[in-house]
Amino acid sequence: SAVISQKPSRDICQRGTSLTIQCQVDSQVTMMFWYRQQPGQSLTLIATANQGSEATYESGFVIDKFPISRPNLTFSTLTVSNMSPEDSSIYLCSVATRPMGGIQYFGAGTRLSVL
Amino acid sequence: GENVEQHPSTLSVQEGDSAVIKCTYSDSASNYFPWYKQELGKRPQLIIDIRSNVGEKKDQRIAVTLNKTAKHFSLHITETQPEDSAVYFCAASSTGNQFYFGTGTSLTVIP
Repeated sequence: SAVISQKPSRDICQRGTSLTIQCQVDSQVTMMFWYRQQPGQSLTLIATANQGSEATYESGFVIDKFPISRPNLTFSTLTVSNMSPEDSSIYLCSVATRPMGGIQYFGAGTRLSVL
Repeated sequence: GENVEQHPSTLSVQEGDSAVIKCTYSDSASNYFPWYKQELGKRPQLIIDIRSNVGEKKDQRIAVTLNKTAKHFSLHITETQPEDSAVYFCAASSTGNQFYFGTGTSLTVIP
């Protein structure tokens, strides 16, 4: 298994500002992922964070809006840039315990409200 | 890309009865199908998974079945208990990395 620490747990931000969410894992993992979950909705994959290379973004998500860093095998950040109320959501990081078929474990999530 | 549909969106059962949640997927290359349970305000937690070389898997009161031909898989919970009340998500993956989630089923077990 993997223990994931995600912070902040929640934040209230003003529109036009940016927020960086951090995800720390207690072991080295190959794959880290960032999801968005609207209240009462499913999880939507934003991007896959690859160590040593650019993140891979899903359709509808772009690097300028959601820049991701992955400086090592235990840490990643997601920035929500130039926020608007539509960005209010829960953001979760997850890790796969091994490539090609690894179980995913999730962080506790960051509840973001944009005013 | 993969499209995962999940039904029903809400499900209420009496304690002790069984609950069944069904998912269909579109990508025949998908070969890994996990199920997650998410309690209110908590993170999703894996409860059971199945790979495409297996038709059924069971873990105590929880079982998952897979029909590759029809591209659907189901979660079965027997002898339901109030603590089973949560939102359940199915997911599908072909690479083991990108996971596509269903829309979720809110299960309520009535004591």
